[in-house]
Amino acid sequence: DTAVSQTPKYLVTQMGNDKSIKCEQNLGHDTMYWYKQDSKKFLKIMFSYNNKELIINETVPNRFSPKSPDKAHLNLHINSLELGDSAVYFCASSQRDRGLSGNTIYFGEGSWLTVV
Amino acid sequence: GEDVEQSLFLSVREGDSSVINCTYTDSSSTYLYWYKQEPGAGLQLLTYIFSNMDMKQDQRLTVLLNKKDKHLSLRIADTQTGDSAIYFCAFNTGGFKTIFGAGTRLFVKA
Repeated sequence: DTAVSQTPKYLVTQMGNDKSIKCEQNLGHDTMYWYKQDSKKFLKIMFSYNNKELIINETVPNRFSPKSPDKAHLNLHINSLELGDSAVYFCASSQRDRGLSGNTIYFGEGSWLTVV
Repeated sequence: GEDVEQSLFLSVREGDSSVINCTYTDSSSTYLYWYKQEPGAGLQLLTYIFSNMDMKQDQRLTVLLNKKDKHLSLRIADTQTGDSAIYFCAFNTGGFKTIFGAGTRLFVKA
């Protein structure tokens, strides 16, 4: 009954390769996100989709391309991987509630990407 | 611009109370959150508070909000070794973008 699930959990790959990380949420949320957490644990938003529409696109190299086939899925494709892409990538989802919880974000377990 | 600041480290003895502090700059912050990240895991929502509240208590957790000083704190009573983790504060102004602090690493000594 995992709420936000992403695969793979661990990925080791060589520079220059292309890789994808998949994400699915079963919470019925309208909004999904990709966050990047670096080695110092800083968490930065990369992309957000609401009902399959891109709504947040931070300053991210265009080697990173998100794809949302439906509102329960948001995949992240990375072309021409570089050493600096090594990080933990978190998928997340939320449902805006103009009541007391706002836009509470629920995270997946993370995908540890190591580029060698 | 939007910014959230937290001290990076906190060390306490088991059984003591821990207080993790956070300051934010955006006065229109409407929703404020605390998340916990254990090693090798994702961020887990601990609690949240709406900006029209000053305090929220949930078992061992107490959240205090001082809107005037833009200061948010999380108090953990009777801290246990299992509470050792990174604690992130975050705020949202009602839109889709949530801003996270850098995280406070809590070390609990037995």
